[in-house]
Amino acid sequence: ETGVTQTPRHLVMGMTNKKSLKCEQHLGHNAMYWYKQSAKKPLELMFVYNFKEQTENNSVPSRFSPECPNSSHLFLHLHTLQPEDSALYLCASSLGGDTGELFFGEGSRLTVL
Amino acid sequence: GNSVTQMEGPVTLSEEAFLTINCTYTATGYPSLFWYVQYPGEGLQLLLKATKADDKGSNKGFEATYRKETTSFHLEKGSVQVSDSAVYFCALSEIYAGGTSYGKLTFGQGTILTVHP
Repeated sequence: ETGVTQTPRHLVMGMTNKKSLKCEQHLGHNAMYWYKQSAKKPLELMFVYNFKEQTENNSVPSRFSPECPNSSHLFLHLHTLQPEDSALYLCASSLGGDTGELFFGEGSRLTVL
Repeated sequence: GNSVTQMEGPVTLSEEAFLTINCTYTATGYPSLFWYVQYPGEGLQLLLKATKADDKGSNKGFEATYRKETTSFHLEKGSVQVSDSAVYFCALSEIYAGGTSYGKLTFGQGTILTVHP
């Protein structure tokens, strides 16, 4: 496989569930990101990891918990979410040190009931 | 803070029509500017970029010129195709100390383009 792969593509969960989103990149990049895409709103940067270290947490609620075990994998652990958290969650990677060229996955469509 | 404003869509055109999607920005420093495109069911992909004033980015027949005096980066294409139907995002990134931005992109809200045969 090449590029950035996200699983699952679709997820429906209740407000009391715990689930995780997974992202894997096969590009040899050093930086990985989580973005949230909601209808009619700009993409929101959530977290940035550079060489497995978190370098950005954009005031994200603690019900979203990221994990980056290595430069190729990124997780977003979800617990006690709210219906307004329903959105498309996009993972991206970059070489690191690049001026903004991100490679995105296809996203995980999350619905919170 | 930084912000990006795109023209509101959706934009609907006939094939071979001329396309313009307006984008203006506010930034405290000297940003790089980007257009990303998202085809149905896919993630975003970089369409073109410009890193300094008066630079022109181009790709797949699309062009955009970095205009510092008007803080704009409008996307144009002379003759659109049905396959250009997608959502287009304007974005900027600022260069931080050490010359890196680490993907801290600020995006516009996106413009939906639909091209009919």
